[in-house]
Amino acid sequence: DTGVSQNPRHKITKRGQNVTFRCDPISEHNRLYWYRQTLGQGPEFLTYFQNEAQLEKSRLLSDRFSAERPKGSFSTLEIQRTEQGDSAMYLCASSLTGQSGVEQFFGPGTRLTVL
Amino acid sequence: SQKIEQNSEALNIQEGKTATLTCNYTNYSPAYLQWYRQDPGRGPVFLLLIRENEKEKRKERLKVTFDTTLKQSLFHITASQPADSATYLCALGAAGNKLTFGGGTRVLVKP
Repeated sequence: DTGVSQNPRHKITKRGQNVTFRCDPISEHNRLYWYRQTLGQGPEFLTYFQNEAQLEKSRLLSDRFSAERPKGSFSTLEIQRTEQGDSAMYLCASSLTGQSGVEQFFGPGTRLTVL
Repeated sequence: SQKIEQNSEALNIQEGKTATLTCNYTNYSPAYLQWYRQDPGRGPVFLLLIRENEKEKRKERLKVTFDTTLKQSLFHITASQPADSATYLCALGAAGNKLTFGGGTRVLVKP
């Protein structure tokens, strides 16, 4: 399967613990996006990379969240000192640069539950 | 602040009929608009793109219109099938291809 993959698919953690998620984009895609989605809502933009450069972070993203894409391939999203409000589905997407509006390919998501 | 509204109530429709979904936005000047389909427990899947200078796009049984004066997009599924049952998300795009999504509308097609 050459689509976007995310690991783990599910994560249950206790409040205050740190968690890290991984996203492997489609291999030739140089843009990578992270979104968060809660039940009944659409995905909410968190951050995006072009190659290894993080170009934008949402103002809603607290300093407990950090993302990296060290070699311009896979990316990790870390949440420190998790809170119950962090419980959500974390989605990764990738795309090619090029003309405006190029489609994004989404992974299956990592569902985080903070107890 | 930017706001994107989709009908939060589920749309129940009989097989074979046309489903019409609405996406309205305010305080936004998107370069383009996309529609995605999302099934439970899965990531969204791209369906259609329409740019700000386009009025209508079609793909098989799908049709999208985009009215930048009304700040509205309509999404139509013609000859609907039970397999079309899913949540449909509209997303507005600007620089960097960052997408801003609406809340989605759930569609249920009954046989």
